[in-house]
Amino acid sequence: GAGVSQSPRYKVAKRGQDVALRCDPISGHVSLFWYQQALGQGPEFLTYFQNEAQLDKSGLPSDRFFAERPEGSVSTLKIQRTQQEDSAVYLCASSLASGGALGEQFFGPGTRLTVL
Amino acid sequence: KQEVTQIPAALSVPEGENLVLNCSFTDSAIYNLQWFRQDPGKGLTSLLLIQSSQREQTSGRLNASLDKSSGRSTLYIAASQPGDSATYLCAVRPGIYGGSQGNLIFGKGTKLSVKP
Repeated sequence: GAGVSQSPRYKVAKRGQDVALRCDPISGHVSLFWYQQALGQGPEFLTYFQNEAQLDKSGLPSDRFFAERPEGSVSTLKIQRTQQEDSAVYLCASSLASGGALGEQFFGPGTRLTVL
Repeated sequence: KQEVTQIPAALSVPEGENLVLNCSFTDSAIYNLQWFRQDPGKGLTSLLLIQSSQREQTSGRLNASLDKSSGRSTLYIAASQPGDSATYLCAVRPGIYGGSQGNLIFGKGTKLSVKP
């Protein structure tokens, strides 16, 4: 497929469990973003990668959240010791350009996380 | 801090009507503005991207305008169809002095319903 893909599409976790969410960006896209979307809200920025470098993680809500992109392609967002307030849709986006000329962002279908 | 507001929060129109969705942002120092469509349970589909130097962009029945100095954008949908029913999100990429690494700041969206 040519678009951004995410897996799993749905994840149910018990409070306290660790989860890992995967994002496959569009091939060749340098920039990768993670966003969190609560019900009825717009997406909110979590973290940004340029190739394998995590350049901005200012949006991560706590140290329980960790993201990586070790080879500059696939990215994983990990949430440790999940809490009910972590329930949301986690969206991944990628864009072709880097640096000061970032262009259009293309989004994946998201992973809906429900913490019981 | 950049804030994005979308009015109205919800809109219901009969099929065939032309309509306008509004987006405002508090800091005019932006790189670009992007309009998205989100269907229930789905990710975001990019509709139009307007660079800060542009005044408008058109794609089919959609036309987006940007007035950066006043912090406003509108999305015009001509001859609306039931298939246009979705939530429409506006997002800005802040300029470099906003500390941005390219992440988007979203409004909460306008939920559009087009009745047959």
